[in-house]
Amino acid sequence: QLVLTQSPSASASLGASVKLTCTLSSGHNNYAIAWHQQQPEKGPRFLMKLNSDGSHNKGDGIPDRFSGSSSGAERYLTISSLQSEDEADYYCQTWGTGIELFGGGTKLTVL
Amino acid sequence: EVQLVESGGGLVQPGGSLRLSCAASGFTVSSNYMSWVRQAPGKGLEWVSVIYSGGSTDYADSVKGRFTISRHDSKNTLYLQMSSLRAEDTAVYYCARGRPYDYWGQGTLVTVSS
Repeated sequence: QLVLTQSPSASASLGASVKLTCTLSSGHNNYAIAWHQQQPEKGPRFLMKLNSDGSHNKGDGIPDRFSGSSSGAERYLTISSLQSEDEADYYCQTWGTGIELFGGGTKLTVL
Repeated sequence: EVQLVESGGGLVQPGGSLRLSCAASGFTVSSNYMSWVRQAPGKGLEWVSVIYSGGSTDYADSVKGRFTISRHDSKNTLYLQMSSLRAEDTAVYYCARGRPYDYWGQGTLVTVSS
């Protein structure tokens, strides 16, 4: 069964870097995912599509501070030079035959 | 510029019906996968339904048989017809383009309550 797992919360200091993780369920190591950001009281925003080989395509206007990488079943979103506006919920998304699904989301706090 | 604007949300009684609209601009709805995603208050994102460019559709188990996704090509608009609504359908409903979703609307709130 296709499932995405994310840690509920993460925190990092202003100006630092943080790496968020999205884990694919067993047997789904080759799946691509997408990362989306949802700032407080706003709709989601597409950050990037991330492939199993670590290659990624970012959405329009997404800063270079946002990058993605992959290792096995793990998909990562790294945000460098953290800014206050990066405090948000981050969701990973994947898709299969007849189904689309999201991870539970990670709430990022910028200290 | 790609834009998605949802409308049609509101307060509806349990068992009632509602139709959501998503007006698109800057691209052609019929050439893209288009989806509805919802977010219950304080909760995460939940996929609801998708219509593929060829016109076929898929639904989450939680809404199958109650919701119908469709599009009007000349109006470049996506719809979600919701019936037999339940309290647990209360959420902000977003439309989104593509797979993965590269553009999202701002959402419309549906409240199911007596």
